[in-house]
Amino acid sequence: EAGVTQFPSHSVIEKGQTVTLRCDPISGHDNLYWYRRVMGKEIKFLLHFVKESKQDESGMPNNRFLAERTGGTYSTLKVQPAELEDSGVYFCASSPAPQVNPDFGQGTRLTVV
Amino acid sequence: KNEVEQSPQNLTAQEGEFITINCSYSVGISALHWLQQHPGGGIVSLFMLSSGKKKHGRLIATINIQEKHSSLHITASHPRDSAVYICAVVRGGSQGNLIFGKGTKLSVKP
Repeated sequence: EAGVTQFPSHSVIEKGQTVTLRCDPISGHDNLYWYRRVMGKEIKFLLHFVKESKQDESGMPNNRFLAERTGGTYSTLKVQPAELEDSGVYFCASSPAPQVNPDFGQGTRLTVV
Repeated sequence: KNEVEQSPQNLTAQEGEFITINCSYSVGISALHWLQQHPGGGIVSLFMLSSGKKKHGRLIATINIQEKHSSLHITASHPRDSAVYICAVVRGGSQGNLIFGKGTKLSVKP
């Protein structure tokens, strides 16, 4: 069974550009989470989907970030326009239920120059 | 002060040693996770616990809800255990809103 997969693994973009990160959860996992680690800091929660609905988006830093999960399958996280401080590693995780250990993706390393 | 504090930040051990990593938190929680991140970057969930103790192989995790403290123990440590170990708590009332510690970097020497 495929694990949580994230695309791309690395992305380097210029300040002001748009980047879209994708996460494919494990099939059947209704719960999907986005997190990020900014350089030198601890990982921070961004948001939580249950199927296609946003259960909790309290961690989204500002309105330059837009997350979607159309059809309750894969999810995208768009950053538009990207700023230097958006650089970091973005992790996605999924689980069949909130009470179950989530499975994490390998992360997308985003560098904004 | 972070809501989740881990100690030590860095730990070097000799193969075979018993290792303890500590996690203290200051918020109400519904559960606590221990995660492992290898140098390649991938994160693996080790444990999710809300009370008592869990064991998986050479790993043991304990939690004391009253004291707001958890420990991760590794028995008979091995160089392949070298990784960053991260404590994360599920904020009470939420389901996936994890608050992460900064991690403990463990290096086990042969």
